[in-house]
Amino acid sequence: ILNVEQSPQSLHVQEGDSTNFTCSFPSSNFYALHWYRWETAKSPEALFVMTLNGDEKKKGRISATLNTKEGYSYLYIKGSQPEDSATYLCAFWVNDYKLSFGAGTTVTVRA
Amino acid sequence: NAGVTQTPKFRVLKTGQSMTLLCAQDMNHEYMYWYRQDPGMGLRLIHYSVGEGTTAKGEVPDGYNVSRLKKQNFLLGLESAAPSQTSVYFCASRDNDSPLHFGNGTRLTVT
Repeated sequence: ILNVEQSPQSLHVQEGDSTNFTCSFPSSNFYALHWYRWETAKSPEALFVMTLNGDEKKKGRISATLNTKEGYSYLYIKGSQPEDSATYLCAFWVNDYKLSFGAGTTVTVRA
Repeated sequence: NAGVTQTPKFRVLKTGQSMTLLCAQDMNHEYMYWYRQDPGMGLRLIHYSVGEGTTAKGEVPDGYNVSRLKKQNFLLGLESAAPSQTSVYFCASRDNDSPLHFGNGTRLTVT
């Protein structure tokens, strides 16, 4: 079991503010990192698949960066909106078959 | 497109009873996975399959069995349910280099 850690566990953001949070993972034998968004009462949905050191991905107001050498990825939400409230999961590929998930960062956006 | 379909959505079992959870995907994906989600634990891999007729153990396989007789179906069995198996179970599938596609989950309570 590989240790994928996400911090903080939860955060509250005022509508319109920007925020970011971290996923850390083992830096050796990197294969790929995924970010998922998980809304209450729904199933996780993929946001980003990141494979290269220095990767930056963007989807609307949400973006992510990747540093494989130091073993971390940041997810950024710009101008948070209530619909951004969700748990954001990162997942580290152990090999071609197995994905190890972090416990998630739960974001609550206050109107 | 149905995507990944899990049945049942909810189930209550008594300790010692058995049941099978069904996962079906219509995307012709090779890889299928069963995860359980518990508060504060994130998603933990129970079993997975890399193709029809193959299965492998994940992080928490004890008390569960799986079968992948057909490419589109991945069954998760509990032979003798225990209260520790109370959880939300998610099935997921993917193809090469793609993120996971999740089902909507099965909420299982063992009393």
